[in-house]
Amino acid sequence: GAGVSQTPSNKVTEKGKYVELRCDPISGHTALYWYRQSLGQGPEFLIYFQGTGAADDSGLPNDRFFAVRPEGSVSTLKIQRTERGDSAVYLCASSPASAYNEQFFGPGTRLTVL
Amino acid sequence: AQTVTQSQPEMSVQEAETVTLSCTYDTSESDYYLFWYKQPPSRQMILVIRQEAYKQQNATENRFSVNFQKAAKSFSLKISDSQLGDAAMYFCAYRSGGSNYKLTFGKGTLLTVNP
Repeated sequence: GAGVSQTPSNKVTEKGKYVELRCDPISGHTALYWYRQSLGQGPEFLIYFQGTGAADDSGLPNDRFFAVRPEGSVSTLKIQRTERGDSAVYLCASSPASAYNEQFFGPGTRLTVL
Repeated sequence: AQTVTQSQPEMSVQEAETVTLSCTYDTSESDYYLFWYKQPPSRQMILVIRQEAYKQQNATENRFSVNFQKAAKSFSLKISDSQLGDAAMYFCAYRSGGSNYKLTFGKGTLLTVNP
C-alpha cells in the first residue's frame, strides 16, 4: 500500500514569506507527527496529532509555526514570516494508535529560506 | 527531559565484517521503548530494530541485533556481515511508554561500508 507522502519535496522561499507543507499519512493511521531535521542533526519533535487534535505541540519553536489536521487525515504545517534558520528537512510520520506500533516516515520536505 | 547521545559521528566497516554503533540515553522513566532507525540519502527513515525496556532479552532482526543494558542506559546496535546497502545514517531514538508517542533522536552515526 501507499506510504506516507509529503509535498512538496523541495521548497525554496524568501525570508519573510509564508509556506505550507503537506503530509498525507497512511490510510487509517490515527497518529501523525511532525519533526524537523537540521543539517547534521537528528530529527527534532515538533507536534503530534491524535485524530484531529494536537496531543502535544511542545516542540513548536515559536508562534510562527502552526499545524492543522482538520479531518484527522491530511496535515499541513504552516510557517509564517520565514527566517533563514527555518531551513531544514521537515519530516512527517504516522502510526496506528498503539504504543507498540512503529512510526512510518515520509521522505520529507526540504525547506530552504533565502 | 529525555536525552539520547550517539558519541560516534562516523564509523566505517569492511564488507562482510561486523560493526557496533553506540547509543546512551538518560531518563527517569522505567517504561520506555528504544529504536534504531536507518536514513539513506533518500531521507526516508526506516525502522531497523526496536527494544521494549521491560524485556530483558536483546532484540534481533536478521543481521541486526542490540545490546541493551538498562542499568547502564546503553543501547548499542550490532550489524553482522555488513553489506554495501547498509551504508547510511543511523539514529538511535527513545520513546516514553506512556500515551505520548513522540520520539527523541540522537545526532546520528554515519556508517560507511567499504568493498
